[in-house]
Amino acid sequence: SAVISQKPSRDICQRGTSLTIQCQVDSQVTMMFWYRQQPGQSLTLIATANQGSEATYESGFVIDKFPISRPNLTFSTLTVSNMSPEDSSIYLCSVRQGREETQYFGPGTRLLVL
Amino acid sequence: AQSVTQPDIHITVSEGASLELRCNYSYGATPYLFWYVQSPGQGLQLLLKYFSGDTLVQGIKGFEAEFKRSQSSFNLRKPSVHWSDAAEYFCAVGGGTSYGKLTFGQGTILTVHP
Repeated sequence: SAVISQKPSRDICQRGTSLTIQCQVDSQVTMMFWYRQQPGQSLTLIATANQGSEATYESGFVIDKFPISRPNLTFSTLTVSNMSPEDSSIYLCSVRQGREETQYFGPGTRLLVL
Repeated sequence: AQSVTQPDIHITVSEGASLELRCNYSYGATPYLFWYVQSPGQGLQLLLKYFSGDTLVQGIKGFEAEFKRSQSSFNLRKPSVHWSDAAEYFCAVGGGTSYGKLTFGQGTILTVHP
């Protein structure tokens, strides 16, 4: 399975600022995903990021708030813009490998917005 | 639309006891089913998956799960729980026209008493 790393692992930010989260994979993958896990909640898909095309956002998530880049097959970034305390969550990236659509997850970025 | 229900929010068992975590899904086609585990402060680790074939699947750490199409269930089991199994467990469904997207259940928190 792919080895996935995320930076930063955690951060504390002030409201109104933005944070960019990086996701690096040790092999080339077509599909990458960004999830949000709010405190005590399950995972919610933010968007699907395919290399060479615009990210596809799920209902309730917009590009202005969560811009995503996917410059190559091993890297992606998610920016959380104009943050508010409600954005305090764990943000996880995942990659899809195999015909069974198995997703493997990074360790997550724990974000606290004050 | 696909959905996953984990009826038990929190389960407590004694070390050495058997464990069964319930998962029910709703999906219009043949599902791909997954169980993930999230230890405190960690990302998600894949325990096992069902794609096709044998309905009893074996995973890592001594876990197994059984796919029952008639009951739309994919329950996770372990014959003897270890203290290190204390974590949160997520069931997820994907496949078919989901285009790689997974839908997660709400999670079950497992507490293990010595």
